[in-house]
Amino acid sequence: DQQVKQNSPSLSVQEGRISILNCDYTNSMFDYFLWYKKYPAEGPTFLISISSIKDKNEDGRFTVFLNKSAKHLSLHIVPSQPGDSAVYFCAASVIYQKVTFGTGTKLQVIP
Amino acid sequence: NAGVMQNPRHLVRRRGQEARLRCSPMKGHSHVYWYRQLPEEGLKFMVYLQKENIIDESGMPKERFSAEFPKEGPSILRIQQVVRGDSAAYFCASSPPSGDSYNEQFFGPGTRLTVL
Repeated sequence: DQQVKQNSPSLSVQEGRISILNCDYTNSMFDYFLWYKKYPAEGPTFLISISSIKDKNEDGRFTVFLNKSAKHLSLHIVPSQPGDSAVYFCAASVIYQKVTFGTGTKLQVIP
Repeated sequence: NAGVMQNPRHLVRRRGQEARLRCSPMKGHSHVYWYRQLPEEGLKFMVYLQKENIIDESGMPKERFSAEFPKEGPSILRIQQVVRGDSAAYFCASSPPSGDSYNEQFFGPGTRLTVL
């Protein structure tokens, strides 16, 4: 049972444009959401998070939006840069419990 | 570099052998998590440990897999009698004691296990 779903396995975006990565979840108990970035042969790196009491969190070029009624969150990267090319994992948890990861979206930013 | 350390980075075992994967958490972190990533899949939670305690092992296969985080030394993920299906990347993560950043886990580089 995949509780966190990333339905787009890959995404290509032109440098300078906006990248939008989507994530859906099924467990209404989740109250904390995270995005991780992963380069080949490396471990995931924490990028940005949002608690369920918020609907938006921004950190530089990265913004995460949470729509609890739709059980949907998205990561916006603007402007996209070639160094952003990586696999992005959406993750969710019930606070103080294990983190559940999605299957990842491979982002390619084309120069 | 005070990040999460994992060794070995690559491990090759023949079917039936044992695999031992080590993880040293970041300094000051007392929570350790193990994840497995199979080819073309996301990270699957395996086990969550604190020092000398297993907190959640709901993702661990019932047989052949075990994990520990002793009072001294690294956390160990042990796989006995490995089979080809165990071939995967195994990631360890750590987080600080409970607090605002509890869910922000810091990952190691992973151990890629290949079973021949």
